Amino acid sequence: EAGVAQSPRYKIIEKRQSVAFWCNPISGHATLYWYQQILGQGPKLLIQFQNNGVVDDSQLPKDRFSAERLKGVDSTLKIQPAKLEDSAVYLCASSLVVGAYSRGTDTQYFGPGTRLTVL
Amino acid sequence: QKEVEQNSGPLSVPEGAIASLNCTYSDRGSQSFFWYRQYSGKSPELIMFIYSNGDKEDGRFTAQLNKASQYVSLLIRDSQPSDSATYLCAVNTGFQKLVFGTGTRLLVSP
Repeated sequence: EAGVAQSPRYKIIEKRQSVAFWCNPISGHATLYWYQQILGQGPKLLIQFQNNGVVDDSQLPKDRFSAERLKGVDSTLKIQPAKLEDSAVYLCASSLVVGAYSRGTDTQYFGPGTRLTVL
Repeated sequence: QKEVEQNSGPLSVPEGAIASLNCTYSDRGSQSFFWYRQYSGKSPELIMFIYSNGDKEDGRFTAQLNKASQYVSLLIRDSQPSDSATYLCAVNTGFQKLVFGTGTRLLVSP
């Protein structure tokens, strides 16, 4: 079974530029997550989709970040304009379903991440 | 603010010893708990999850959960140098929203 795919793996941009990241979840996984992981910290949830609807975007800086999941499969996360403090690894994860946690279907599997450096 | 606390370490153990990693959480309603391992420059990979009070064993790994004390731990038996990594504790606070701790860095010396 193929894992979560992300691209690009690395990106270097100047501040105030824009950037986009792409994620393809594990086949059949309804829920998709974008996390931001700053060096030395744990991942922080930015946005959670179930199918193509947003479940939680409370920690997404909506003045500069946007995300979409058209057709309930692939997802794109965009930053426009980027700031120095956006330098981080952006992780995409997916899980099978909402609820039914006792059967392990809430387990999240992570992609390789995109390392963003903003200069 | 729902929080997950971990000692950042590093926790240093000799090869073959038992490594004990601890995590506390603030949301008493949390139902499921996860341990992820993250090598430097890599993404988190799942080690195991636990939902019920008590112990859950998987090979050299044992997860322990005490909901009354809001405490979850991970024991690694017969630690190997390849176990050297950061171990992230994550708590499902509802609707599959995971809150992560900052991670504990484990160093296993040969």
